[in-house]
Amino acid sequence: GQQVMQIPQYQHVQEGEDFTTYCNSSTTLSNIQWYKQRPGGHPVFLIQLVKSGEVKKQKRLTFQFGEAKKNSSLHITATQTTDVGTYFCAGLSGGSNYKLTFGKGTLLTVNP
Amino acid sequence: AAGVIQSPRHLIKEKRETATLKCYPIPRHDTVYWYQQGPGQDPQFLISFYEKMQSDKGSIPDRFSAQQFSDYHSELNMSSLELGDSALYFCASSYHTGARTDTQYFGPGTRLTVL
Repeated sequence: GQQVMQIPQYQHVQEGEDFTTYCNSSTTLSNIQWYKQRPGGHPVFLIQLVKSGEVKKQKRLTFQFGEAKKNSSLHITATQTTDVGTYFCAGLSGGSNYKLTFGKGTLLTVNP
Repeated sequence: AAGVIQSPRHLIKEKRETATLKCYPIPRHDTVYWYQQGPGQDPQFLISFYEKMQSDKGSIPDRFSAQQFSDYHSELNMSSLELGDSALYFCASSYHTGARTDTQYFGPGTRLTVL
C-alpha cells in the first residue's frame, strides 16, 4: 500500500533558526496536505498542494510539491516559540479513494 | 466558525467493554473520516462515510463498526475493547466536491483509555 515517509522525526532549533521537514511518497500523489498538531491538540489543516512543482507561502511558512508529485517539503523561516508542534504531511493517492495517508510527523521544539 | 464536534472528549473503559464515540461534522459537510492516533504516532485512517455510505476502509478492526446517520453525524462503535485500543480517536469532516481536493477538518478528538 501507499507509504509516506517523513524526516526528520524530531528537530530542535533555537528561536530564529530555520526549520525544514521533508515528505516522500512511495506512489505518485493526487495532492498533499500539511497539518500542524500542538501537544495535546488535534491536527489543524495548514495547506494543500495539488499541482506539480507548486510552491505556496503562508507568512514564514513555505510549502513545496515536487515535480513528480511524490515529495513535498515545509520550510519555516526564523522559527518562533509558537511554531512548536508536530508537523504532518498527508498524501492523497490516485484512484477512487479519499483516504489520507499520514507521514510519521516531525516534532519541532524551539528553544527561546 | 463551527468546527467538528466529538463526544465524549474522554472515556475510560474496562477490557471487553463496549464504547461509542460520536462525531458531528461541520455544517454542510457530507463526509466524515475516523482516525486512530496512538501516543507519539501519526493518525491512522480507520473508515470514512460519504452521504451515509461507507466510502473507504482502512485499518479498522472487525470489533469496530461505524455508520453515518441522516443528519450526517457519525458514530464509531467499539466492542470487546482491548488495552491496545487506548488512543486518541479523531473524526474529520469535509465537503465532497469530487475534485479530490477536499480538505479534511479534524475534531478535538476522544481520548479512550482501556484499563
